[in-house]
Amino acid sequence: AQKITQTQPGMFVQEKEAVTLDCTYDTSDPSYGLFWYKQPSSGEMIFLIYQGSYDQQNATEGRYSLNFQKARKSANLVISASQLGDSAMYFCAMREMGGNQFYFGTGTSLTVIP
Amino acid sequence: DGGITQSPKYLFRKEGQNVTLSCEQNLNHDAMYWYRQDPGQGLRLIYYSQIVNDFQKGDIAEGYSVSREKKESFPLTVTSAQKNPTAFYLCASSISATVYRTDTQYFGPGTRLTVL
Repeated sequence: AQKITQTQPGMFVQEKEAVTLDCTYDTSDPSYGLFWYKQPSSGEMIFLIYQGSYDQQNATEGRYSLNFQKARKSANLVISASQLGDSAMYFCAMREMGGNQFYFGTGTSLTVIP
Repeated sequence: DGGITQSPKYLFRKEGQNVTLSCEQNLNHDAMYWYRQDPGQGLRLIYYSQIVNDFQKGDIAEGYSVSREKKESFPLTVTSAQKNPTAFYLCASSISATVYRTDTQYFGPGTRLTVL
């Protein structure tokens, strides 16, 4: 089974609007971390936000927030007030406390329309 | 400035030749990783290393080899046994290799390898 599933291959959003990128995960480890990365066309992976499985609050970092629904095993990324520079690939990832690997989804391509 | 460097950014090689991709970090991170990314795809783990002189195979290790002689360096060799080596290669590191912490990975700028 896939550890991380991103079901939206491509998304479009109007500039200044908010957008939600979906991510669901699969683990039996009670302790894990969830990550979102941005990959612009240059190729470098940029860390955006982290959510721990025991965190009570949803993580926020500037315009990025993580909608964490533990029971549904979902960790959606919300980008508010989209900017043209937000156009990129976005990857959801997970690391289980009991393991050494990071598991990545297949990514969502976001295009911000002026 | 702390970070991860990969060189070169673009690499061209003839089929049948081995090639080594460099990855250096000055973040004092224990763990280092190599990923392969094909167009339109996610990241697939090739090898990772938790400490010096130790490394483990990832999901697609066949045709690749690594070494970890120094904490800062984790070079990847793409051998002639790798059937389709043309891809984008990303190196990453994270602070801790212990199972009691969940630390994010930080990535280098990547090397785009083309085998002619």
